[in-house]
Amino acid sequence: EIVLTQSPATLSLSPGEGATLSCRASQNVGSYLAWYQQKPGQAPRLLIYDAARRANGIPDRFSGSGSGTDFTLAISSLEPEDFAIYYCQHRTNWPPELTFGGGTKVEIK
Amino acid sequence: QVRLVESGGGVVPPGTSLRLSCTASGFDFSKYGMHWVRQAPGKGLEWVAVYWYAASVHYYADAMKGRFVISRDNSNNALYLEINSLRAEDTAVYYCARDLSSNTYYYFDYWGQGTMVTVSS
Repeated sequence: EIVLTQSPATLSLSPGEGATLSCRASQNVGSYLAWYQQKPGQAPRLLIYDAARRANGIPDRFSGSGSGTDFTLAISSLEPEDFAIYYCQHRTNWPPELTFGGGTKVEIK
Repeated sequence: QVRLVESGGGVVPPGTSLRLSCTASGFDFSKYGMHWVRQAPGKGLEWVAVYWYAASVHYYADAMKGRFVISRDNSNNALYLEINSLRAEDTAVYYCARDLSSNTYYYFDYWGQGTMVTVSS
């Protein structure tokens, strides 16, 4: 089973600053990685899939990179609505194994 | 627009069964794989199961095999999850989510608002 480890657990930043979130896989996962944003009381929202492809309607201040075991979600300049928890997710085709990282909370400093 | 609405959650005693429903609208339901994902209070996300759009093919996360049954009714645009022999650790918000692609890409592009299941005596 592939384990995804996200770091840091919490990131304290001010609006306008940039954010860099990390997701490390226990095995090579190629580019099969997605990022989601979740705000309190809401369902997650897909931001990035296949490591670097932005989902429909996602602002270009969000970008994903990486392959193999190390992945990064970057937010170029934090907007007030970006303070949330971010999860990474891996998937395999067959048998389907879909696993999430533990999350990184981006909070207002 | 795409809309997913879950229902069927509640407070239930341990050992009982529960059937959750998800009603979809705004897209051709019969052409997409559909998933259940759960989230225990204050915890992260956990994938439960997928039902592919065709051929009655479905699959469960290893931890969910045995007590969970996923099904769908394309004529009514509905997805279901039956949970049997409920345990305290099944307490969670259960989300219905659409697969990103009709080819079942195993990412989730639309989510419902979730239905809360609390297992307690």
